[in-house]
Parts: sequence; C-alpha cells; structure tokens
Amino acid sequence: DTGVSQNPRHKITKRGQNVTFRCDPISEHNRLYWYRQTLGQGPEFLTYFQNEAQLEKSRLLSDRFSAERPKGSFSTLEIQRTEQGDSAMYLCASSVSKVGWSYEQYFGPGTRLTVT
Amino acid sequence: GNSVTQMEGPVTLSEEAFLTINCTYTATGYPSLFWYVQYPGEGLQLLLKATKADDKGSNKGFEATYRKETTSFHLEKGSVQVSDSAVYFCALSNTGKLIFGQGTTLQVKP
Repeated sequence: DTGVSQNPRHKITKRGQNVTFRCDPISEHNRLYWYRQTLGQGPEFLTYFQNEAQLEKSRLLSDRFSAERPKGSFSTLEIQRTEQGDSAMYLCASSVSKVGWSYEQYFGPGTRLTVT
Repeated sequence: GNSVTQMEGPVTLSEEAFLTINCTYTATGYPSLFWYVQYPGEGLQLLLKATKADDKGSNKGFEATYRKETTSFHLEKGSVQVSDSAVYFCALSNTGKLIFGQGTTLQVKP
C-alpha cells in the first residue's frame, strides 16, 4: 500500500496563471476528497468524489476551481486565474466507502501553492 | 451546522508530563470523531478515532473518549515525549467529509 500521493509538492505561480494539481489515491479507495489548509488553520473541505462522480462541492469553491476524477482513479484540481488568496496547502485524502465505514480518511502530503 | 472547537495553543510541556488537549463539537446526529496529527514537514496522519458514545480510541499511548453528554473528545497522554511535538487536529464526520478544528500545537521540551 503506497499511500496517497500528490504532485507537485510545491508550486509557485504568478497571479492570473492557471495551475493544476494531481492526486493519486490509495488503490481500491472509491472516495477522494480535496481540502485546503491555510497557515494556522485546520483543513477546509472543498469537494469529494465517489468513483468518478463529484458528489459535493463546498460553497468555498469558487467558479475558478474545478476538479475531475476520470475513470474513478486519480483526480486533478485546477485553479484558473489564480489570486494571492489562493495561496495555501491543498490536501487530498482517500477512503473506502462501505457498510460499517466510520468515515476515516487517509491524507497525502499536500501541494503547497504560492501565488506571487 | 457542524463545527469543532479546540483549545488554543501552543501547548508547551516538559518530557514525561501529562497531556490534555480539549476538543468540543457541535453536530447533528451521531458523528464519528477523530484526532489527526501533523508532524513537522509531514502530512496529516490519523491518530485515533471513536464512532459512538463512550467509545475510547487509543493509539501510541494517546487516548480520547467520545462523550456525548458533554459533546467532547479530549485527547490525553500520560507521559509525552519530545517526538510527540506536532500539531493535533480534532475532527468529526457524519456524512463523509471531515470538519476540523483549528489545530493545537504541542511542543515538548527535553
């Protein structure tokens, strides 16, 4: 079991540019979550997928953010026209949804985005 | 809506001291409760969990008991080590997504 992986680990971009992050979940995990964490705060939920279906999006997620999970495997999170307020750590987590599941999730190392 | 409140840090302790980090929650229904830990430079790791009232989660010497009557899930450890220095997050879930507290930084000095 290789764990959740995220790429890149760090991204520096200029305001107005588009960026895309990738998350590879633990194999056989059917749920995939994206969170955002700013300094000194706990992670905030952005969106999640069950298999390839995006089932929930936070109201925090502006129209500039889009996420996909084609074929129910890896996921990408794209931010268009980045703003300085988008600077944060973007965390991906995965889990297996089944009878008796207690909602625990397993996190990747995160992608740190800096918008200059 | 659902929310989690943790005691503010940082918490600074000497090695072998007793640790308590308070966590209270507001939620509808019967959420699962979690403690996650983030060591310096690393990702979030699940430390322990509890899924129903009076359940005790435990791992690596840490314990927390799901108290529905006080809506609390306080983290305790009898004797902390320098290696326990990290940020600790309390979280809940009753729909799948996790709702986190703001985190409590623990620093253990030798």
